[in-house]
Amino acid sequence: SAVISQKPSRDICQRGTSLTIQCQVDSQVTMMFWYRQQPGQSLTLIATANQGSEATYESGFVIDKFSISRPNLTFSTLTVSNMSPEDSSIYLCSVEESDTEAFFGQGTRLTVV
Amino acid sequence: DAKTTQPNSMESNEEEPVHLPCNHSTISGTDYIHWYRQLPSQGPEYVIHGLTSNVNNRMASLAIAEDRKSSTLILHRATLRDAAVYYCILSLPQGAQKLVFGQGTRLTINP
Repeated sequence: SAVISQKPSRDICQRGTSLTIQCQVDSQVTMMFWYRQQPGQSLTLIATANQGSEATYESGFVIDKFSISRPNLTFSTLTVSNMSPEDSSIYLCSVEESDTEAFFGQGTRLTVV
Repeated sequence: DAKTTQPNSMESNEEEPVHLPCNHSTISGTDYIHWYRQLPSQGPEYVIHGLTSNVNNRMASLAIAEDRKSSTLILHRATLRDAAVYYCILSLPQGAQKLVFGQGTRLTINP
């Protein structure tokens, strides 16, 4: 099974600033996914990141706000820009290892003050 | 994406079986039924999946109705560690990991 490390595990940021979240996988994977989980809510897919191509964003998420990089098959970053308190959430990355099972990181708990 | 409906919450006692229902009346013929769970302060983890036949693994069993419009996740002997939010998700086998999460069922286990 894939092991996913996310950094930072949590952060408290000032409004108007940006935060970059890193996701490292211990094996090469084709697709990586970024999710947001707002307080008390379920997970919502932000975007899908394939190595060597632009990320594909879901409705309601834009690149200017949620910028994603995928420089190689084991790493991805999500940058949340111009943050506001509404961006306070847990951000999780996920990978596909087989056609049947997804693996998730522990998440990054972001608080914007 | 086909939608699933689950009870918001359920409660059970330790060492008793738990049956978590999921309705998916608009499921298509190629949709797989996946179950994930999210323990407190953790990312979701895979539990089980199936297409038409009932499935068993070390964590749970999945019972799928003959018309596939509903399914039940069965935890045979609940422990306190099984307290989590359980998500029933439909997806295609290819790109199955683009998962659309509903609200899930919050399972409480009483000692």
